[in-house]
Parts: sequence; C-alpha cells; structure tokens
Amino acid sequence: EVQLVESGGGLVQPGGSLRLSCAASGFNFGTYWMHWVRQAPGKGLVWVARINSVGSTTAYADSVKGRFTISRDNAKDTLYLQMNSLRAEDTAVYYCARDGITMMDWGQGSLVTVSS
Amino acid sequence: DIVMTQSPDSLAVSLGERATINCKSSQSVLHNSKNNNYLAWYQQKPGQPPKLLIYWASTRESGVPDRFSGSGSGTDFTLTISSLQAEDVAVYYCQQYYNTPPTFGQGTKLEIK
Repeated sequence: EVQLVESGGGLVQPGGSLRLSCAASGFNFGTYWMHWVRQAPGKGLVWVARINSVGSTTAYADSVKGRFTISRDNAKDTLYLQMNSLRAEDTAVYYCARDGITMMDWGQGSLVTVSS
Repeated sequence: DIVMTQSPDSLAVSLGERATINCKSSQSVLHNSKNNNYLAWYQQKPGQPPKLLIYWASTRESGVPDRFSGSGSGTDFTLTISSLQAEDVAVYYCQQYYNTPPTFGQGTKLEIK
C-alpha cells in the first residue's frame, strides 16, 4: 500500500524558514516523480513544485520560485520542501503527491502557518 | 498557464439523482498525436486529501465506483455521478496535466438536497 506521510509543518514568523518532509513507503520511491501541492484554509488546490525521479530536474510555481526548493533523498525514501522567506500567503496545508499519469496518491498533509 | 474553470461552484442534488459538474480549460488539453486528453478529476472530502477519481478525462482509477464517469475532449469536460450516494458529498476538482504548471479548477462543492 502506498503511504506518504508529511511532517515538519508548524507556526513560523514572516520571513522565516521551514523544511517539510514526506516519507514514502509501499512503492519504489526512486522511480517516481513527486509533487508538492498546497491548499490555503477554505481554498482550492495549488501546485507548488515537482521533482523528477533522480532529483536532477525541478519545476516551481511562480509564486514560490526563488524561495522554495524541492529535493529528495532516494536512499531514505524521502521528499523535502525547503521554504525560505515565508509570507502570510504561504499559509496552507502542504501535500506531497506521487506522480504516475498525474498526481495519483496523496499524503494527509502538513499545516504551515505564517504569522507573527 | 492554462486556466481551469468549473461550473457550478456548488450543487445540491437529491440522493439517487444525477449530478453533473463541468470543467472548461483556457486552451485545449488534447494531445493530438497521442489522442489523449490530459485531464483528471479529484474528490476531496472534509479533512481529507484529494483522491484521484478519473484520468485521461474518462478512465476511472482502480476502485472508483462505476457511478462516476468522465467525458469531454479538447477544452470542455464533464464529471457525472449517475446516482448520488451520501458518501459522495465532497468538493470536486478538475486538473490539467497537459503542461507545466499543472493547474486545478476552483472546485465544485456537492451537497445533498
């Protein structure tokens, strides 16, 4: 069974940093592209970033480009999202998702709150 | 970026009745050489992550009940629930994966009348 478990969320002040992790199990992690998608409270889904299976190619939403970095450690079956220069508008539940044809499997999410 | 627009924003349907949700993309998501529409539908229940229902516009994900069906091509798509069950109360999103960034519709909230 595919499992994706996010961690690392919490309360952070504007301008601060946070690193999210997504621990994967139940599939061959190193052969799948992965995504981060976020959802602000009461709002819709917004794609954040994507990384290929070996970590050599990444893509970002314009709203996070230059501030967020997606990475992975295939030896640890873990996906990361380093978030710097956080803003109030980054407040959201962050989901990691496994790519197949599209985003096939999702974690339960990790809440990030940016507030002073 | 491809803009995805869903209609209606909310919908109330009686149990056992048909529910229909529409999705329109700002440009075609049909890959002509592969003859595939790069369009997916997700269901999100309160407090839960999204769940993939349909991909390639009309292919049901494994385990999804056959009362869910997808149709359409190019820029206009429809998600149909043939006979609404209580457990189908959720927000439904369409999403294009034709190009980067992948983009979602704003969501349609489905409730019981």
